Amino acid sequence: KNQVEQSPQSLIILEGKNCTLQCNYTVSPFSNLRWYKQDTGRGPVSLTIMTFSENTKSNGRYTATLDADTKQSSLHITASQLSDSASYICVVSEGTSGTYKYIFGTGTRLKVLA
Amino acid sequence: DGGITQSPKYLFRKEGQNVTLSCEQNLNHDAMYWYRQDPGQGLRLIYYSQIVNDFQKGDIAEGYSVSREKKESFPLTVTSAQKNPTAFYLCASSIGTSGIREQFFGPGTRLTVL
Repeated sequence: KNQVEQSPQSLIILEGKNCTLQCNYTVSPFSNLRWYKQDTGRGPVSLTIMTFSENTKSNGRYTATLDADTKQSSLHITASQLSDSASYICVVSEGTSGTYKYIFGTGTRLKVLA
Repeated sequence: DGGITQSPKYLFRKEGQNVTLSCEQNLNHDAMYWYRQDPGQGLRLIYYSQIVNDFQKGDIAEGYSVSREKKESFPLTVTSAQKNPTAFYLCASSIGTSGIREQFFGPGTRLTVL
């Protein structure tokens, strides 16, 4: 069964600290993996997208890594800010072309405290 | 929110009533999607459409209906047959359904059944 599991479920850190969120998947065949940031009551916004040939992708203070062999991805947030408080969702696309399947993780809820 | 608008932001419905959620995009995207988001669960696909006048059921289509008469619009009707409609509904679009096909999400509509 295709699944995407994220950990931790929730996380609280102090402003200025770094943190790493984890995503493990069992989706096959794998097409690409993306991380989204979702503020409360808003739609998700894309942070990074990686195909199987990419093992790292950065977007400002956000750096995603992908290990296609172990089927793991991580999202590292550097020097956290209060505005980073949100849910972070890992999404894996199934198939190589012509399919609609996106498998969503349940998200990690991050709270950054002053 | 990437050129996708959803209305209304909040919607209240009495049991037994049908309601229609609006989704419009000006990104010239061919594909559009409707998802449902419930607390503690990943996004679940209700319906998707790859081109005008064509749409396909997703994983949880029962109790929902859609139409795609225009490229820009993909309204979702929640019918009285949907047993537990209270949820956050997200519309998304992508330039296609193959390749990277990054999805852009709207701001969402929160539906509450009274």
